[in-house]
Amino acid sequence: AQSVAQPEDQVNVAEGNPLTVKCTYSVSGNPYLFWYVQYPNRGLQFLLKYITGDNLVKGSYGFEAEFNKSQTSFHLKKPSALVSDSALYFCAVRDTWNNRLAFGKGNQVVVIP
Amino acid sequence: DGGITQSPKYLFRKEGQNVTLSCEQNLNHDAMYWYRQDPGQGLRLIYYSQIVNDFQKGDIAEGYSVSREKKESFPLTVTSAQKNPTAFYLCASSIDRPDTGELFFGEGSRLTVL
Repeated sequence: AQSVAQPEDQVNVAEGNPLTVKCTYSVSGNPYLFWYVQYPNRGLQFLLKYITGDNLVKGSYGFEAEFNKSQTSFHLKKPSALVSDSALYFCAVRDTWNNRLAFGKGNQVVVIP
Repeated sequence: DGGITQSPKYLFRKEGQNVTLSCEQNLNHDAMYWYRQDPGQGLRLIYYSQIVNDFQKGDIAEGYSVSREKKESFPLTVTSAQKNPTAFYLCASSIDRPDTGELFFGEGSRLTVL
């Protein structure tokens, strides 16, 4: 079965510094990978996805993610973090057999002013 | 505007009662999903439906039931058989294609059992 792992529970970063949220995946076949963000007591918002093509994917709110096949990773990055980026971030992989999305457990990002 | 509407946002229930959470979408999406979110556990799939009048169990379907009589609607019933129903419930929809298919989420319903 397809799965993703988000190894860190919380990421703390100073405002203005680069932000990285890690995700590794396990799939059979081609991976379809996604990042979502969740603010408190809200639904998830789509940030970006990798289906095929360039390994660097650009998404909403200045976020980007790098697909690395050899390391089976899909880390989310932002060059300069904002306090408003403080939220819960989820990595997900689509199971191409049944179209279901499998989510990681999430990473809490705290941007310190 | 197109989107997914979940209601109610907050719901309190006594033990032994069934409750139904509403999910409506006007995105013309074929696929709809229900997830349960608990702190530190990510999202777990309860049920999903890829087409009207058809649905499949997800990873934690026990104690839940759904129906898909209309394309726009996918209500979730939390039955008294669900041992620990207090959680945040999220409904989502997507175009049912594996090469695209990002999920669009509603704002969630928080169920508390008293």
